[in-house]
Amino acid sequence: NAGVTQTPKFQVLKTGQSMTLQCAQDMNHEYMSWYRQDPGMGLRLIHYSVGAGITDQGEVPNGYNVSRSTTEDFPLRLLSAAPSQTSVYFCASSPRVNYGYTFGSGTRLTVV
Amino acid sequence: GENVEQHPSTLSVQEGDSAVIKCTYSDSASNYFPWYKQELGKRPQLIIDIRSNVGEKKDQRIAVTLNKTAKHFSLHITETQPEDSAVYFCAAKRAGNQFYFGTGTSLTVIP
Repeated sequence: NAGVTQTPKFQVLKTGQSMTLQCAQDMNHEYMSWYRQDPGMGLRLIHYSVGAGITDQGEVPNGYNVSRSTTEDFPLRLLSAAPSQTSVYFCASSPRVNYGYTFGSGTRLTVV
Repeated sequence: GENVEQHPSTLSVQEGDSAVIKCTYSDSASNYFPWYKQELGKRPQLIIDIRSNVGEKKDQRIAVTLNKTAKHFSLHITETQPEDSAVYFCAAKRAGNQFYFGTGTSLTVIP
């Protein structure tokens, strides 16, 4: 199993550009989430999904969209990048309720 | 939403001593509390967890305690080693498997 795979690992965007961060897992996990990690602020939940076709907002959803058309994939879209979105983004998956998340290796995004 | 507070933000201990990290949460409906360890430049990794029907759980040198009445839980690391140096995050789970994380504790174990 590859686990949770995120691409790209690094990305530089210009303000106003859009892009999609890819996340795929091969463990048949139902639950998936996107987090951003900023210094001193821990991990903040952007969006999450409890299964294919079902998504919902976390605590910092503005400026991001997600979709979950398959169990395996959970892409995160930045609609119009802003410098405030400079961060490290982690995708994570979990097989069931009350079970810890497995994290991907992260995407370091810089918006200039 | 859920609010998870974590203390201290930094912690230095001598090798062999114990380390304790404390977290509080606000949502009384939260019922699952994992702890993650993140080494520099790496992804967070689950090290131990506890469910709301349990008061304490141990795994070798690591233990977690939960006080549901007071809404706080703690991570205890005994006989610390240099390889325990990392950032530790607590989390609390709300409905829908939403996890809310504390702001992290940077632990340094001094040889």
